[in-house]
Amino acid sequence: QQPVQSPQAVILREGEDAVINCSSSKALYSVHWYRQKHGEAPVFLMILLKGGEQKGHDKISASFNEKKQQSSLYLTASQLSYSGTYFCGTDLIQGAQKLVFGQGTRLTINP
Amino acid sequence: NAGVTQTPKFQVLKTGQSMTLQCAQDMNHEYMSWYRQDPGMGLRLIHYSVGAGITDQGEVPNGYNVSRSTTEDFPLRLLSAAPSQTSVYFCASSYLGLGYGYTFGSGTRLTVV
Repeated sequence: QQPVQSPQAVILREGEDAVINCSSSKALYSVHWYRQKHGEAPVFLMILLKGGEQKGHDKISASFNEKKQQSSLYLTASQLSYSGTYFCGTDLIQGAQKLVFGQGTRLTINP
Repeated sequence: NAGVTQTPKFQVLKTGQSMTLQCAQDMNHEYMSWYRQDPGMGLRLIHYSVGAGITDQGEVPNGYNVSRSTTEDFPLRLLSAAPSQTSVYFCASSYLGLGYGYTFGSGTRLTVV
């Protein structure tokens, strides 16, 4: 039931773009995205609800395709502060709220 | 506003010992949960609660107990520690309902020897 993230790791130069994908074999009702820096707790980025909407703030946005049961996180013009491990969390039961997380995507931004 | 507070931050246990990891939140969140994080495994759900007096199992509940006597507190008990329980434990909370993200505590790093 764990969603699958791809790629597992990405190395970019500052200013480049990245896409992180999250796929599930089961129907999705919501998708959460979190960023975790080394030695710290995960921090909530955004949530997408069933409906195929796209959300974003600053240069980080995400889409949710419920028919394909997948979500994508887009980071444009990446900054050094974007480095960390990104997790998607999926709510497999509508309203149940308990999240199952992917294995994470490690993003490294170099100057 | 402290958010989600976990204690202790670090703990070393001997195999067979028991202990309780504490989690408290001051945001009046109905939903609370415990995750463990192991290298390459992401975050795995241990137990969760949707309100005082209500708890349920997650993906990896064996060896752990929880209770929720108040909205604020959600302790995690290790009954008889095993080396396989060496991990980083995170407590998370949120409001109930769609559209709310989790707030995580800073974590407890547990080593069982």
